[in-house]
Amino acid sequence: AQSVTQPDIHITVSEGASLELRCNYSYGATPYLFWYVQSPGQGLQLLLKYFSGDTLVQGIKGFEAEFKRSQSSFNLRKPSVHWSDAAEYFCAVGGPLNAGNNRKLIWGLGTSLAVNP
Amino acid sequence: EPEVTQTPSHQVTQMGQEVILRCVPISNHLYFYWYRQILGQKVEFLVSFYNNEISEKSEIFDDQFSVERPDGSNFTLKIRSTKLEDSAMYFCASSASGGAANSPLHFGNGTRLTVT
Repeated sequence: AQSVTQPDIHITVSEGASLELRCNYSYGATPYLFWYVQSPGQGLQLLLKYFSGDTLVQGIKGFEAEFKRSQSSFNLRKPSVHWSDAAEYFCAVGGPLNAGNNRKLIWGLGTSLAVNP
Repeated sequence: EPEVTQTPSHQVTQMGQEVILRCVPISNHLYFYWYRQILGQKVEFLVSFYNNEISEKSEIFDDQFSVERPDGSNFTLKIRSTKLEDSAMYFCASSASGGAANSPLHFGNGTRLTVT
């Protein structure tokens, strides 16, 4: 069965420190992988996605993620965190195409990021 | 940048009442979705909609739920008789193309439904 695991429920880092948020997935084929961010009171905003090709993908706001098939992981990284990065981060995998030729997303539980000044 | 808008942002209703959650997807998008997130739990897929019909629904999406695109702009989720366990944040999303990696889902800010 398809699933996504985000092992860290809550992470606190200092501003300027590096960040890595973990994501592991279970999926039978080559996955579509996504990272979304949800700031307080806001919707879910796409940070980056992986479909194929270069396993290191760049996203918005200085984030990047690396797809590692051997580890079934798609960890999100940022070299230097800003206070405005405090938010909830969700990893998701896109399921197979359905009869309507679209995909549903399967989500991790999310990681809440706090940033200390 | 165009965005998905949802109204209301917060809805409180009594158990057994009907609620309609409203969404205006991005205007040139063709695929529409509803997801929900119960507090402390994962975001869950409810339903996808294309060409004026449901293309996939989850087991959560039982007969109490229905979706409709009543005009060219709105996409609604109706819960016919709300239960306490329907309390959640409901997210609407849309995409230009359903399966392509270069057509990701765009989400609204969500409607928080509280059933008392």
